[in-house]
Amino acid sequence: AQSVTQPDIHITVSEGASLELRCNYSYGATPYLFWYVQSPGQGLQLLLKYFSGDTLVQGIKGFEAEFKRSQSSFNLRKPSVHWSDAAEYFCAVGARTGKLIFGQGTTLQVKP
Amino acid sequence: NAGVTQTPKFQVLKTGQSMTLQCAQDMNHEYMSWYRQDPGMGLRLIHYSVGAGITDQGEVPNGYNVSRSTTEDFPLRLLSAAPSQTSVYFCASSDDSYTEAFFGQGTRLTVV
Repeated sequence: AQSVTQPDIHITVSEGASLELRCNYSYGATPYLFWYVQSPGQGLQLLLKYFSGDTLVQGIKGFEAEFKRSQSSFNLRKPSVHWSDAAEYFCAVGARTGKLIFGQGTTLQVKP
Repeated sequence: NAGVTQTPKFQVLKTGQSMTLQCAQDMNHEYMSWYRQDPGMGLRLIHYSVGAGITDQGEVPNGYNVSRSTTEDFPLRLLSAAPSQTSVYFCASSDDSYTEAFFGQGTRLTVV
């Protein structure tokens, strides 16, 4: 069955520190992977996506993610976190017909 | 740029009432979906559509109906509201199976 797991429900980092959010997926075919961010009371905004090619993808707001097929992972990283990055982050795999399968989400708290 | 517009933003219903959540997109996207977001569960797919006149069930379709008479609109109907349907509902659209999905701002529904 197709699924996405985000092992960390809640992460707290200090401003300026590096960040890595974990995502593991289970999908039978070549996965199409996404990271979305949701600020409180808002909709979801796409950070980055992986379809094929280079396994290290760059996104908006200084985020990047690396696709590792051998580990079924698509972890999100940022070298230096800003207070405005506090939000909830969702990893998703794209299935056919426009459907998205989401992980449970990771809430990021940034300490000053 | 309107993108995906959901109405209403907030709604309180009594158990047993019916209502329709509206979703409209102005990007001429073929694919549209409805998700519900509950704490700790990420977003779960309720119903989706791959074009006008074509709809299908997602992961949690019970208690909800949809129709797609035009490309632009994809309303979600609650037939007889139950407290278990208290959630935040998101509508999304995309122009291809594996491209970015654009999300509305959400409808926060409370059933008492």
